[in-house]
Order: sequence, then C-alpha cells, then structure tokens
Amino acid sequence: EDKVVQSPLSLVVHEGDTVTLNCSYEVTNFRSLLWYKQEKKAPTFLFMLTSSGIEKKSGRLSSILDKKELSSILNITATQTGDSAIYLCAVEAWNAGNMLTFGGGTRLMVKP
Amino acid sequence: DGGITQSPKYLFRKEGQNVTLSCEQNLNHDVMYWYRQDPGQGLRLIYYSQIVNDFQKGDIAEGYSVSREKKESFPLTVTSAQKNPTAFYLCASSEAAGRGTGELFFGEGSRLTVL
Repeated sequence: EDKVVQSPLSLVVHEGDTVTLNCSYEVTNFRSLLWYKQEKKAPTFLFMLTSSGIEKKSGRLSSILDKKELSSILNITATQTGDSAIYLCAVEAWNAGNMLTFGGGTRLMVKP
Repeated sequence: DGGITQSPKYLFRKEGQNVTLSCEQNLNHDVMYWYRQDPGQGLRLIYYSQIVNDFQKGDIAEGYSVSREKKESFPLTVTSAQKNPTAFYLCASSEAAGRGTGELFFGEGSRLTVL
C-alpha cells in the first residue's frame, strides 16, 4: 500500500523566517510527487516533481525531490502571513489509474 | 470562467438520511474525484471516475455512492451506511485519463455535519 508522511504536523514561525516542510513516501513504481497549498477550502497546485524534473522554484517557494531518500522538501524563504496554510504532498505511481496518495499535510502559521 | 462548482457549501443531515453532494466542472476534464478531509488526515480518496458511466472505489468507499452520467457531473451520495459522515468533502478533476494525473483542480468543498 502506498504511503505518504509529512512532517512536521504543524509549524509556527514569524514573518521573514525560512521554513522547510518534509514529505517522505513509500510507493511502488513512483511516477510523480505534487505539492498543494490549501488556505481555506480548495487546494491549489504548487509544483510537480518527476524523475526528469527534480527541482522546481517559483518566487520564494522551491521544492526538491530526492529519489534516493524517497522524499521531498518544500522551502519557503522570507515567509509572509499569506503563506499561512496547510501544505499537502501527494504521490502518483505508474499504472495507478490517475490515483494520488496524499499525506496528512503540514499546517503552517506565519505570525506578523 | 472554467472551474469546478460544488454545492451545497454547508449541509446538515440527521442520522439515517442520505444526502447528495453536487460537483460540476466545465474544464472538459476526463477524470473526476471525490476526497474526504478530516482534521490532521490530509485527503482520502472516496471514488474516482475516468470516463462516463464508469468509476472506481478509492480507499474509503464504504457508505458512499457515485454516478457519472455526464462528463461534467460527478455527484456523491453519502448514505446512512456511512458511520461517521461529518467531514469536509472535496471534488476534483484532472485532464486526461490514461496519462499522468498532473495537476488536480479542486472545488471549494462541501462541509457536511450530521446532527
């Protein structure tokens, strides 16, 4: 059974801090790993990482996939209060029929 | 604007009642999903459908039913057999069956409370 574990469960930082969120996975025939941000209701897509694209960056957010360690990190530099959200990690396996397995999420709170 | 519309946003149900949550998308996506979200547990897959008139069970399908009569619509019925239905329900879609899922597009969710 595929498994995704995120850590920490929750995190409180102050504006300007840098945070690192972790995602580890156990999946047969890994295809991709995705990060989502959920502020209030609908999660929104951040990054997708695959064997051919193990590092992605967008503004203050960046993510790296470590296929050897079966994990990924999401970095947020110079955090802002608007970064407060639940960050979700999900993995997809080949031949999984469009199914994603999600982790439990990390709740980030950024204080002014 | 293209997107996914879920209704109702909030729903209260008495024990023993079935309720149906609506999900409509105008993105022309092939694949549609229903997830359940409980505090601290991320998203768990209830059902998904890759094509009209076909759907597959996810990890927690017991007590739920779905239909896919039209490409745009994927309603979820929470039956009285679901032992703990109070939760936040998210509908999602992705572009094409048979290829990598890629980005999921989510609706705004429906919060069901059983009284």
